[in-house]
Amino acid sequence: QVHLMQSGGEVKKPGASVKISCKGSGYTFTTYGVTWVRQAPGQGLEWMGWISVHNGNTRYAQKFQGRVTMTTDTSTNTVYMELRSLRSDDTAVYYCARYFLLGNYYNIDFWGQGTLVTVSS
Amino acid sequence: QSVLTQAPSASGTPGQRVTISCSESSSNIGGNTVNWYQQLPGAAPKLLIYNNNQRPSGVPDRFSGSKSGTSASLAISGLQSEDEADYYCAAWDDSLKGWVFGGGTKLTVL
Repeated sequence: QVHLMQSGGEVKKPGASVKISCKGSGYTFTTYGVTWVRQAPGQGLEWMGWISVHNGNTRYAQKFQGRVTMTTDTSTNTVYMELRSLRSDDTAVYYCARYFLLGNYYNIDFWGQGTLVTVSS
Repeated sequence: QSVLTQAPSASGTPGQRVTISCSESSSNIGGNTVNWYQQLPGAAPKLLIYNNNQRPSGVPDRFSGSKSGTSASLAISGLQSEDEADYYCAAWDDSLKGWVFGGGTKLTVL
């Protein structure tokens, strides 16, 4: 079955960086893309960006451009998301999720379990 | 500020049918399909409906989706206590080249 396994929770100080991993299994890794979505405490879902696993192309939400980098290692079926210059309002659960193309539109189906990143001095 | 608008809360009693709505305010997603996700407390979102009205394997047929014009709806029939969760609509935004999410609707089963 499809599974996305994320790395464990992190506690970071303001100004630091965090790098979260997301390992896919149960499907052909390069056939699907991976997107990242975050959820601040008690808040809704916020799209951050995506990476096309088969060619490494990326697209980041404007809010995160310059602070986020998504990469992939197809030899280990793993995608990484690095967020730099952390601020307290970056405290959130970060999810990776698989996406696929159906017709003309992209759809997110399976999600990782989430990684809590806490930014605190 | 989301371009997909959902009511923040909804409620129903066991066995009842409830509907959660999602309205689009951007031409960038006007013709695009809508997906629905269920997020149980403390869990990751789970895909309930894709392509406006398609159910992934394993999702009970109590859940159904529809879309008309710039509004989409998720209907849950035969409401059960385990349906108490947050529900999010989402759509691909052609301008962003990414996804937009509704603000979420918290469903309470009374």
